[in-house]
Amino acid sequence: DTEVTQTPKHLVMGMTNKKSLKCEQHMGHRAMYWYKQKAKKPPELMFVYSYEKLSINESVPSRFSPECPNSSLLNLHLHALQPEDSALYLCASSQERRETETQYFGPGTRLLVL
Amino acid sequence: AQSVTQLDSQVPVFEEAPVELRCNYSSSVSVYLFWYVQYPNQGLQLLLKYLSGSTLVESINGFEAEFNKSQTSFHLRKPSVHISDTAEYFCAVSDPTSGTYKYIFGTGTRLKVLA
Repeated sequence: DTEVTQTPKHLVMGMTNKKSLKCEQHMGHRAMYWYKQKAKKPPELMFVYSYEKLSINESVPSRFSPECPNSSLLNLHLHALQPEDSALYLCASSQERRETETQYFGPGTRLLVL
Repeated sequence: AQSVTQLDSQVPVFEEAPVELRCNYSSSVSVYLFWYVQYPNQGLQLLLKYLSGSTLVESINGFEAEFNKSQTSFHLRKPSVHISDTAEYFCAVSDPTSGTYKYIFGTGTRLKVLA
């Protein structure tokens, strides 16, 4: 099973809403990632978890709050977002947090902030 | 800091024709190189990667890429494309000397295969 699943597929939210994105993998991977991808652009790294601990935060605004409840699950909590936060949010995982590792991406959650 | 350049933002090509998608990276230090493909409305999938050894790496669906250290390039090629190859292709570099374990992605090349 080389699948990373993400829910929901689509999300529309207002600027005062609180919502969460969920990511799950059952490959036994110990590193998990959140990326943001705007249209026609490459993915931008937001957060990296390694062994359930946050190891990289790419200076992401606090309205994005990641959580890794266990080694298979990764959440991204959203609060008071801005319209410019509308994007495709991709989750990925890899066996370890190493430069040689392949990252396996989920299909993404397409977020629209009104 | 490492950077990746994909000079061609779009490449239209007829079906069964050959294609080359160009990727150059900035530093000649040892790096690891990846090509990912993103089909419409999907996440990214690894096509192939170069870590060490033979400079020519191949994927299971007919793509190949050649690592050229002197030219700091990792161009992706396919001798005969299919309609189903229409997608966005991203080159990525991982620099083991940076200590960050991050991918640096290029801006992507949109391959459009025409019937």
